[in-house]
Amino acid sequence: EIVLTQSPGTLSLSPGERATLSCRASQSVSSSYLAWYQQKPGQAPRLLIYGASSRATGIPDRFSGSGSGTDFTLTISRLEPEDFAVYYCQQYGSSPWAFGQGTKVEIK
Amino acid sequence: EVQLVESGGGLVQTGGSLRLSCAASGFTFSTYNMSWVRQAPGKGLEWVSDISSSRSTKYNADSVKGRFTISRDNGKNSLYLQMNTLRDEDTAVYYCARIGLWPHNAFDYWGQGALVTVSS
Repeated sequence: EIVLTQSPGTLSLSPGERATLSCRASQSVSSSYLAWYQQKPGQAPRLLIYGASSRATGIPDRFSGSGSGTDFTLTISRLEPEDFAVYYCQQYGSSPWAFGQGTKVEIK
Repeated sequence: EVQLVESGGGLVQTGGSLRLSCAASGFTFSTYNMSWVRQAPGKGLEWVSDISSSRSTKYNADSVKGRFTISRDNGKNSLYLQMNTLRDEDTAVYYCARIGLWPHNAFDYWGQGALVTVSS
């Protein structure tokens, strides 16, 4: 069973700054089957990135994903006010599918 | 437009049963694998169960094995989750999610969620 660990737990940044979120897997994620989701309070999660680096439909290009094997990164190049939220990584390469515990990006 | 709408949530006693439904529209439901994901109050996301497009394959998380059963009716464009022997720790918002087509098997669309509260 793959365990995903996200860091940091909370990221305090100002609008316009760059955000770098990390997701580390306890074992290699096959074929880079790694996704990132954004969740705002009271809302369902929204898919941002799949296949470690492909943006989902309608996702702005300030969001980018990278990595392979056990280390993955979500980067938001310039934070917009609507980007302050909780972000989860998830692996779908081997069952059981697992989520990280989340990184909260808050306004500094 | 893809839409997933859950229903059937509510308050249930410990040890009781509840059945969640998810009505799908805006896509060819019978083509997609589907899933249930839950989120306990103030906590992260937890995958619960998957079902293949043809209903032939089902997977469950260990935490619900033997108690929850996923099913679907492709003629009614609907997904279900039968939850039996409910525990306090099953209290959560339950999301219905569509699994993208291979190899992009992430959860690409989500419903708004149904709250299940288990209490004695």
